Amino acid sequence: NAGVTQTPKFQVLKTGQSMTLQCAQDMNHEYMSWYRQDPGMGLRLIHYSVGAGITDQGEVPNGYNVSRSTTEDFPLRLLSAAPSQTSVYFCASSYGGRQPQHFGDGTRLSIL
Amino acid sequence: KNEVEQSPQNLTAQEGEFITINCSYSVGISALHWLQQHPGGGIVSLFMLSSGKKKHGRLIATINIQEKHSSLHITASHPRDSAVYICAVRPGNTPLVFGKGTRLSVIA
Repeated sequence: NAGVTQTPKFQVLKTGQSMTLQCAQDMNHEYMSWYRQDPGMGLRLIHYSVGAGITDQGEVPNGYNVSRSTTEDFPLRLLSAAPSQTSVYFCASSYGGRQPQHFGDGTRLSIL
Repeated sequence: KNEVEQSPQNLTAQEGEFITINCSYSVGISALHWLQQHPGGGIVSLFMLSSGKKKHGRLIATINIQEKHSSLHITASHPRDSAVYICAVRPGNTPLVFGKGTRLSVIA
């Protein structure tokens, strides 16, 4: 199993550009999440999904969209990138909300 | 709102020392997680606890539900243990809330 795969690993954008961060898992996990990690702060939840077709907002959802059309994929879309969205983004998955999470390697995103 | 506080924020130890990292939280939870983030950035789950104590190799995690406190212990520490250790709690059925992490450096 590849586990949780995030692409790209690094990305530089200009303010106002849009892009999609990809996340895929091959473990048949129902629960998937997107977090951002900023210096001096804990991981913060952006959006999460408890199964295909179901998504919900986390602590910091503004400026981001998600969809979950399949169990395997959970892409995160930045609609109009802003410098405040410069961060490291992690995708995670688990069998259920109460199970240990498996993390991807992260995407380091810089917005100029 | 549930707060998760970890202490210390930073810790430097000599190889072989016994290490303790603490985590306190403010509301009732259904589970507590300890995670490890290596310098390369990858995050792995170490333990998930709802009561008592768990052990894996040189790592031991304990939780006291009444006192809303958990500890992560590392015995016979080694430079390869150098990482950021993160505590996260699940209040009921809501998503995980993360602490800011404890940065551990073990010096040979």
